[in-house]
Amino acid sequence: ETGVTQSPTHLIKTRGQQVTLRCSSQSGHNTVSWYQQALGQGPQFIFQYYREEENGRGNFPPRFSGLQFPNYSSELNVNALELDDSALYLCASSLGVVGGYNEQFFGPGTRLTVL
Amino acid sequence: AQSVTQLDSHVSVSEGTPVLLRCNYSSSYSPSLFWYVQHPNKGLQLLLKYTSAATLVKGINGFEAEFKKSETSFHLTKPSAHMSDAAEYFCVVSDNNQAGTALIFGKGTTLSVSS
Repeated sequence: ETGVTQSPTHLIKTRGQQVTLRCSSQSGHNTVSWYQQALGQGPQFIFQYYREEENGRGNFPPRFSGLQFPNYSSELNVNALELDDSALYLCASSLGVVGGYNEQFFGPGTRLTVL
Repeated sequence: AQSVTQLDSHVSVSEGTPVLLRCNYSSSYSPSLFWYVQHPNKGLQLLLKYTSAATLVKGINGFEAEFKKSETSFHLTKPSAHMSDAAEYFCVVSDNNQAGTALIFGKGTTLSVSS
């Protein structure tokens, strides 16, 4: 069974640029959630995708957007990068969407640095 | 709104002594509660979860936690610390019954283990 994978591992961008982060969900999982973890903080929920539709969103501006593909892999896109977007971006996959019953399995993350 | 408060940002113990990491939660709904561990440069790993079954929950690596509704607490314990337990620990709450619900993380507790 393949776990959750994310690419790239590290990324450096400058303010105003756009970035795309990628996530492959664990085999058989149809739900992907994205989280932002700033240095020294707990992860914060960005949004969740279930069967290619956004299924919940945290308190992030519209310049954070995403996609889920038919194979349930996912992308996180961030436009007009700001310095505060520097963080570890975590992807988690699960089977189903209902609250706490469905364990979310996390990938190792992508470390984004915005200069 | 749901939230968790981890009462200690840093806990230091000696190898072989008990571990106590404290967490209080706030939830308007029937919550699920989790503890995750994050080792440096590794993804988040689920230690244990409570989803309205037994209030004393046993997890991996000898950790356990007790759900106390009257105290709105979900403290994590381990009888005897091991050097490999040194990591960041997150208390997490989610809603059992609502689709598309995020995991809400605390700010984390850094556990240091000395020999």
